Amino acid sequence: EAGVVQSPRYKIIEKKQPVAFWCNPISGHNTLYWYRQNLGQGPELLIRYENEEAVDDSQLPKDRFSAERLKGVDSTLKIQPAELGDSAVYLCASSLEGTSLRGKLFFGSGTQLSVL
Amino acid sequence: AQKVTQAQTEISVVEKEDVTLDCVYETRDTTYYLFWYKQPPSGELVFLIRRNSFDEQNEISGRYSWNFQKSTSSFNFTITASQVVDSAVYFCALSEAKRGAQKLVFGQGTRLTINP
Repeated sequence: EAGVVQSPRYKIIEKKQPVAFWCNPISGHNTLYWYRQNLGQGPELLIRYENEEAVDDSQLPKDRFSAERLKGVDSTLKIQPAELGDSAVYLCASSLEGTSLRGKLFFGSGTQLSVL
Repeated sequence: AQKVTQAQTEISVVEKEDVTLDCVYETRDTTYYLFWYKQPPSGELVFLIRRNSFDEQNEISGRYSWNFQKSTSSFNFTITASQVVDSAVYFCALSEAKRGAQKLVFGQGTRLTINP
């Protein structure tokens, strides 16, 4: 079974440029997450989707960040314009709802963003 | 608010030594889940275990064991007879235990290095 696929693996941009990250979750997983992981820190949730609906985006900086999950499968996270402080690893994860599976997230390898 | 603290930033031991990773949490929820995830150098977080707050039984899985003590709000992780392949960053995490509440709050992580 294929895992969570993210691209690109690395991205280097200059500040004020736009950038986009793509995520393909595990087939059949209805819940998709975007996390940001700063160097030396644990991941922090940016947004969570249940199918195509964003059910928790309280920590998404909406002035410059946007996300979409068309058809409830793939998802794209965009930053425009990027700032120096956005340098981090952006992790995508997916999961299945269900008591026995709650909290068991499957993560991709992440996109490491460097803003110069 | 939920909070997870992993006071040990880095641990380095020699192969075959036992090592314990500490995790202390804060929550006002009466029911919750606790987790441990492993992040190898490849970047993707890998689920290791989930414990429900009403189940304080310790758990053992091969060389891994977990000690959950509600009285001290701790959920410690011990690796017995460590191996080089155990080298990774380990994260403790916490979430509410109810449907639709799959937001994990992660600790800062402990970087474990096993030296040959």
